[in-house]
Amino acid sequence: SQTIHQWPATLVQPVGSPLSLECTVEGTSNPNLYWYRQAAGRGLQLLFYSVGIGQISSEVPQNLSASRPQDRQFILSSKKLLLSDSGFYLCAWRLDSTEAFFGQGTRLTVV
Amino acid sequence: AQSVTQLGSHVSVSEGALVLLRCNYSSSVPPYLFWYVQYPNQGLQLLLKYTSAATLVKGINGFEAEFKKSETSFHLTKPSAHMSDAAEYFCAVRNLYGGATNKLIFGTGTLLAVQP
Repeated sequence: SQTIHQWPATLVQPVGSPLSLECTVEGTSNPNLYWYRQAAGRGLQLLFYSVGIGQISSEVPQNLSASRPQDRQFILSSKKLLLSDSGFYLCAWRLDSTEAFFGQGTRLTVV
Repeated sequence: AQSVTQLGSHVSVSEGALVLLRCNYSSSVPPYLFWYVQYPNQGLQLLLKYTSAATLVKGINGFEAEFKKSETSFHLTKPSAHMSDAAEYFCAVRNLYGGATNKLIFGTGTLLAVQP
């Protein structure tokens, strides 16, 4: 069966520090991968999606970037965090005809 | 463009009472519709999905939803609320034509509280 791993679960980082959140999927090949951010009262905002290795599409301009170095690995990064980057980050995967499956999320607090 | 509107950011019901969470969608093409549940500090779990088959969809934990094209609605219901149902619920839409760029669009969520 397919599983999705996301880490770390929680992270507290100072303003201006770098960020790297990792997401890996097991049990499937060539999934579509997504990074969402969830802010209180604002639902889920799609940040990035990827249809394949090295292929990244950005949905909103921001201080973050994403990379897909391997088929089942999706990384969310920042060179310098801002206070406004705080939030709950969710990785998800799906195949074309299915629903999305989510990781357990990372709670990022920028202080 | 597709969108989802969830009416009521907070809903409170008594244990044993009917749960009704509202979702209206906008889509120029036939939609796929989903309800997800999120417990605190966890990811989203799929409750149920409508994919153009039966309009009344049954999901996990006793939840069901009915697709009503004429009303562009996909409301989530459960006949009798349980304390364990307290969570945040998200409605989502995407069109049925597939493809990675066919994104899942979420509503802003409804936080369900269940009172003893």
